[in-house]
Amino acid sequence: AQTVTQSQPEMSVQEAETVTLSCTYDTSENNYYLFWYKQPPSRQMILVIRQEAYKQQNATENRFSVNFQKAAKSFSLKISDSQLGDTAMYFCAFMKSGTASKLTFGTGTRLQVTL
Amino acid sequence: NAGVMQNPRHLVRRRGQEARLRCSPMKGHSHVYWYRQLPEEGLKFMVYLQKENIIDESGMPKERFSAEFPKEGPSILRIQQVVRGDSAAYFCASSPAQVIQETQYFGPGTRLLVL
Repeated sequence: AQTVTQSQPEMSVQEAETVTLSCTYDTSENNYYLFWYKQPPSRQMILVIRQEAYKQQNATENRFSVNFQKAAKSFSLKISDSQLGDTAMYFCAFMKSGTASKLTFGTGTRLQVTL
Repeated sequence: NAGVMQNPRHLVRRRGQEARLRCSPMKGHSHVYWYRQLPEEGLKFMVYLQKENIIDESGMPKERFSAEFPKEGPSILRIQQVVRGDSAAYFCASSPAQVIQETQYFGPGTRLLVL
């Protein structure tokens, strides 16, 4: 079974600064996918970024980028130029490859962006 | 293209009553997933369905919970004889059939409160 660990329950960052959220996972699979989802106070789950394990290049989406270290089973999210609207819970998630399958989520990191 | 729809958004039930949660996937999507989020926790997988088939129900409680995705109409998550511990947010996600490993897109969730 896969497990996803987010060791930072809460983080705070000032507006316009950069913050990195940590995520590690444990799996015996070689092919899989990793995701970061954002859950703002509205509780809607919003996809932030996705990474295929077979790709060495780190995924980037505008101000969001990841540092994917497959050997270390680490998948951190970097948010640059933080904005007040980035305030949310952030969940790291794992999906094994092969067939469409379930997501396994971490416990989340609550990010507060301050003025 | 409308997103994943869930209704009701909020549902209040007394202990022993039944709760029915509905999910309409995005247009063109035929894979539906249900997740549960207990207060202050991450999302936990419950069940994965395709039209008229349950593919993976490994996360479903053995009793009182059932799910279906009929040929016509929304997917239904049904909880019989609700107890206070069922109070949670229930999220539905969908993905298309044609592309394996496509991202799951989430609905806004149904908040169930059991009195």
